[in-house]
Amino acid sequence: GAVVSQHPSWVICKSGTSVKIECRSLDFQATTMFWYRQFPKQSLMLMATSNEGSKATYEQGVEKDKFLINHASLTLSTLTVTSAHPEDSSFYICSARDQILAGLTNEQFFGPGTRLTVL
Amino acid sequence: AQTVTQSQPEMSVQEAETVTLSCTYDTSESNYYLFWYKQPPSRQMILVIRQEAYKQQNATENRFSVNFQKAAKSFSLKISDSQLGDTAMYFCAFITSGTYKYIFGTGTRLKVLA
Repeated sequence: GAVVSQHPSWVICKSGTSVKIECRSLDFQATTMFWYRQFPKQSLMLMATSNEGSKATYEQGVEKDKFLINHASLTLSTLTVTSAHPEDSSFYICSARDQILAGLTNEQFFGPGTRLTVL
Repeated sequence: AQTVTQSQPEMSVQEAETVTLSCTYDTSESNYYLFWYKQPPSRQMILVIRQEAYKQQNATENRFSVNFQKAAKSFSLKISDSQLGDTAMYFCAFITSGTYKYIFGTGTRLKVLA
């Protein structure tokens, strides 16, 4: 089936540094990927939609200069948290649309998530 | 605005019993898709079941089934013969055919008791 990986699975960084999270579709091509943020015991909050070869579309209230998204290929999207601060600590989840299957099911496939802790 | 509401923050059920999780949604669209996702402690989102709005027949996947009431905009999930491994957070989600964005409910935390 459709598999999405994320790397790293967890990361601890110092305040003020930048952290890059990778999201890969392993066995399908994804023209569209999504980045979510999830706080403990809460739902997933969509941060942005990442489109291959074009600029990401950010949801209202999400700082695009803080959360840089690059979708350079059909299988890879990256989220860079720039100048991270403790309030950026969260669980970040990506998902991807299989450009072939999505037309039939509209299903997204989720990565396992990345836990970011900023000290 | 399109919304998804899960009115039960937490539920518990005895092993082998049946439990129903509720979900209502609001949309003016006629063509859309509904999903139930499970998020166990590992936090990996797992698709439980999917329903296309244009299908009148309720979807079923083994022990999981839905009661889709389109007019009432209701999409409840029934878990039969509950197992300890069903303990998880369950999210109801909705997507219209015209957009690619999921709209998630706030989730229901289900605990299956031995």
